[in-house]
Amino acid sequence: EDQVTQSPEALRLQEGESSSLNCSYTVSGLRGLFWYRQDPGKGPEFLFTLYSAGEEKEKERLKATLTKKESFLHITAPKPEDSATYLCAVQVVSGTYKYIFGTGTRLKVLA
Amino acid sequence: DSGVTQTPKHLITATGQRVTLRCSPRSGDLSVYWYQQSLDQGLQFLIQYYNGEERAKGNILERFSAQQFPDLHSELNLSSLELGDSALYFCASSVLSQAANYGYTFGSGTRLTVV
Repeated sequence: EDQVTQSPEALRLQEGESSSLNCSYTVSGLRGLFWYRQDPGKGPEFLFTLYSAGEEKEKERLKATLTKKESFLHITAPKPEDSATYLCAVQVVSGTYKYIFGTGTRLKVLA
Repeated sequence: DSGVTQTPKHLITATGQRVTLRCSPRSGDLSVYWYQQSLDQGLQFLIQYYNGEERAKGNILERFSAQQFPDLHSELNLSSLELGDSALYFCASSVLSQAANYGYTFGSGTRLTVV
């Protein structure tokens, strides 16, 4: 069964304290892995798409990487405005396309 | 503003009632997706329409139905509402029938409270 697991569920960081969020997946026929940011009471906002192992994407303090089994979202020197829930999703081709979200990591960055 | 418009933003209704949630996709997008998000379940895919036709179905209850109209807006109908249907309902859109380089564009959601 296709599965996406994110860890940790919640993370508290001090401002400037770098860390990584994990998204591991067990799927057949990975077509792409997507990262989103979701603020409370709002819809997810697209951040990155990764397609193949070894690929990396960067945006400001965020860098996403992909291996054959997992993806990491690295946050360098985070600021309080980076506080949000970070979701990953995988697109799978198995007959039809499926798009499966993980349950997210709630990040809180303290000033 | 993401370009995906959902109405209403908030809805409070009683058990057993029926409601309709509305979504206008981003201009140019042909696919519309409906998701349910509750605290303990994360984002659960309900149903997808592409250019007016149902393309994929997820864990959508029989009490729920949806459609996409010729102008591409979509409606999600929820009937015989139960307390457990209380959740955030998101609509998302994309140009193609599946997520491409830029993933999905989500609306800001409708918060449904069933009392």
